[in-house]
Amino acid sequence: SQQGEEDPQALSIQEGENATMNCSYKTSINNLQWYRQNSGRGLVHLILIRSNEREKHSGRLRVTLDTSKKSSSLLITASRAADTASYFCATLDQTGANNLFFGTGTRLTVIP
Amino acid sequence: EPEVTQTPSHQVTQMGQEVILRCVPISNHLYFYWYRQILGQKVEFLVSFYNNEISEKSEIFDDQFSVERPDGSNFTLKIRSTKLEDSAMYFCASSLVLTEAFFGQGTRLTVV
Repeated sequence: SQQGEEDPQALSIQEGENATMNCSYKTSINNLQWYRQNSGRGLVHLILIRSNEREKHSGRLRVTLDTSKKSSSLLITASRAADTASYFCATLDQTGANNLFFGTGTRLTVIP
Repeated sequence: EPEVTQTPSHQVTQMGQEVILRCVPISNHLYFYWYRQILGQKVEFLVSFYNNEISEKSEIFDDQFSVERPDGSNFTLKIRSTKLEDSAMYFCASSLVLTEAFFGQGTRLTVV
């Protein structure tokens, strides 16, 4: 399967702390994307990192990509209660198929 | 800001009935997708659609499923004879080429 696997499956932190989520995948990718999902809602795109990039920032988000290890991490700094959600990585592979394959997700709970 | 819209938000249907889930993708996008998420589980790829034809489909997308873009704006998913295990959230998404996908808020399908 091309799908990514996130770890941890669940993470609970205090407001103000940093949250780190990891993603591993299996195939050669064109890019990797992180999405957020509030309970019962749609997926919201957070950030995209291309295979030739190693790190990317967007506000309080920092994403790294290590293609040699086929892994990525998402860091949320100075977390807020509103960051409570599930976070998924999704990969777009190099085969030319423009399909996203999602991982299993990390459920983040930020305690106020 | 442009968005993907899905209707209805919730559909209840009896087993064996046909359902049509509707989506209006973002107007200048080229790729269209359907994903599903069984409650509490991962987001699963069903099908992608490009240039008025299916570009890729998963094992889940069997003969009971079909997609259509009837009028250049709507994108529909039809399930011919629903089964209990088809109960899930169904997400429509659209994208340009090799970029982030924008997801709708989903249709919750309940088969009774």
